[in-house]
Amino acid sequence: EDKVVQSPLSLVVHEGDTVTLNCSYEVTNFRSLLWYKQEKKAPTFLFMLTSSGIEKKSGRLSSILDKKELSSILNITATQTGDSAIYLCAVEWYSGGGADGLTFGKGTHLIIQP
Amino acid sequence: NAGVTQTPKFQVLKTGQSMTLQCAQDMNHNSMYWYRQDPGMGLRLIYYSASEGTTDKGEVPNGYNVSRLNKREFSLRLESAAPSQTSVYFCASRTVSELINYGYTFGSGTRLTVV
Repeated sequence: EDKVVQSPLSLVVHEGDTVTLNCSYEVTNFRSLLWYKQEKKAPTFLFMLTSSGIEKKSGRLSSILDKKELSSILNITATQTGDSAIYLCAVEWYSGGGADGLTFGKGTHLIIQP
Repeated sequence: NAGVTQTPKFQVLKTGQSMTLQCAQDMNHNSMYWYRQDPGMGLRLIYYSASEGTTDKGEVPNGYNVSRLNKREFSLRLESAAPSQTSVYFCASRTVSELINYGYTFGSGTRLTVV
């Protein structure tokens, strides 16, 4: 059974702190790993990672995939209150029949205090 | 605007009632998905459809049926609603030929309460 595990499940930090969110996975037929941010509505896309060791960056957010360790981290530097959200890790899989889809972790609920 | 449209946005059902959640996309995507999200559980796949006329069970299919009416539409039916089906339901679509990173497009969700 495919499994995606995120840690921590919740995190409270102060504005300006740096946070690291973790994601590990056991998925048959791995294609890619995706990070999403969710704020009370549909998840919004952050990163898609397919190659091990290559960091993706977008402003204060960055992410890297380690395919040997079957894991990924999402870093947020100089956090702001607007970063408060649930961060979801999802692994994209494919099946022999040509179908594909996402298996999600439970998410990390990040709260940034002023 | 292009995207995934879900209806209704909110619904309250009594136990045992039936209803259909509608989803339509206008991006000519091949694959469509239904997920449910419960507090602290992330999103769990209910059913998916790789193409028109095909559907497959996901992680939590019990109590649900789906129909891929055409390439645009993918509906989710609850035949006899139960309180355990109280959740937020998200529809998503994806095309296998998409070359950019934004492969999955999510609808805005349907908040369903079964009392």
